[in-house]
Amino acid sequence: GENVEQHPSTLSVQEGDSAVIKCTYSDSASNYFPWYKQELGKGPQLIIDIRSNVGEKKDQRIAVTLNKTAKHFSLHITETQPEDSAVYFCAATSSGTALIFGKGTTLSVSS
Amino acid sequence: GAVVSQHPSWVICKSGTSVKIECRSLDFQATTMFWYRQFPKQSLMLMATSNEGSKATYEQGVEKDKFLINHASLTLSTLTVTSAHPEDSSFYICTLAGYNEQFFGPGTRLTVL
Repeated sequence: GENVEQHPSTLSVQEGDSAVIKCTYSDSASNYFPWYKQELGKGPQLIIDIRSNVGEKKDQRIAVTLNKTAKHFSLHITETQPEDSAVYFCAATSSGTALIFGKGTTLSVSS
Repeated sequence: GAVVSQHPSWVICKSGTSVKIECRSLDFQATTMFWYRQFPKQSLMLMATSNEGSKATYEQGVEKDKFLINHASLTLSTLTVTSAHPEDSSFYICTLAGYNEQFFGPGTRLTVL
């Protein structure tokens, strides 16, 4: 089955810097790669996703890149703000199957 | 996208009691739903796949007799934690699979005393 590895487990940046979180997956059949932000006491919220027919997707300060050959995908947050501080999870799935999550990255943005 | 509700949003119970969590799809007919469990400061772990009209498929290490799943209609899946113990205290989340998307319920926080 699918296995998703996520790095780093913690990331501390200064406000305004960029943050990059990387994930690798094992199942070449996976074709959907979402990223979730989870704040304390709340459920995960989808922030961006990418499908296997696309190499990069951007939404304002957030971007995701996908390298199908190497089986890895990354989340890029530019101009970080304190409110970006949260736990971020990557996940992978193929159509109709369950999401398999990475172990999460705790991002801390200090002002 | 689909709207998924969960009830209750939180529950506190005594050890040994059973707790039922409902996951309802409000506007989407879901033949498949997924149940996840998230312990504090950990990731979401898939517990089982709930299939409408048939038995659920459980992940390795998840006791099917302890975590009873019933998916009797296209809009409702239930997870019953039987004889709950403090180690079952967790955040339980259901999702339903659309075409290449997953729609999350808001989660149920279970605390077993």
